[in-house]
Amino acid sequence: AQTVTQSQPEMSVQEAETVTLSCTYDTSESNYYLFWYKQPPSRQMILVIRQEAYKQQNATENRFSVNFQKAAKSFSLKISDSQLGDTAMYFCAFWTNDMRFGAGTRLTVKP
Amino acid sequence: GAVVSQHPSRVICKSGTSVKIECRSLDFQATTMFWYRQFPKQSLMLMATSNEGSKATYEQGVEKDKFLINHASLTLSTLTVTSAHPEDSSFYICSALQGGNEQYFGPGTRLTVT
Repeated sequence: AQTVTQSQPEMSVQEAETVTLSCTYDTSESNYYLFWYKQPPSRQMILVIRQEAYKQQNATENRFSVNFQKAAKSFSLKISDSQLGDTAMYFCAFWTNDMRFGAGTRLTVKP
Repeated sequence: GAVVSQHPSRVICKSGTSVKIECRSLDFQATTMFWYRQFPKQSLMLMATSNEGSKATYEQGVEKDKFLINHASLTLSTLTVTSAHPEDSSFYICSALQGGNEQYFGPGTRLTVT
């Protein structure tokens, strides 16, 4: 069974600073996808970034980038130039035939 | 981007009654939809996978007779919570699959059972 672990229940960062959220996973699959989702207070799930396991190059979306270490089964999210609107729950997720989520990290961006 | 709607957004029902939640993909067809449950300050837990035209696949520990799922068309899946009890109170989220793994989430339904 696939498991996703987020070891940081809560994190905070000053506005305009950089923060990294950690995620590790366990799987015996070779083909899979990894995601980071943001869940603001509205509770709408918003896709932040995705990574195909077969791609070595780390995915980047504007201020968001990942550090994907396949051998270590690690998939961290870096948020640069943090903004107040980044305050939310962040979930790491693993996909093969369905989606499994980590426990989440509550990120607070402080002015 | 693709849009998924859920109705109702909030529902309050009395213990022992049933409540139906609809999940619609508005601008694409989805042969597969997923239903999740999220308790306060917790993660999303997959309840079941809904496939158009066939029976849903339930995760271990989810009572299929209590959480009835019907995926009658390529744009609609429904979750019916039968004989609801206060412990069924939760936030229910659906998602629809477009393509191989592109998942779009609905805005969620808050169920409160009194």
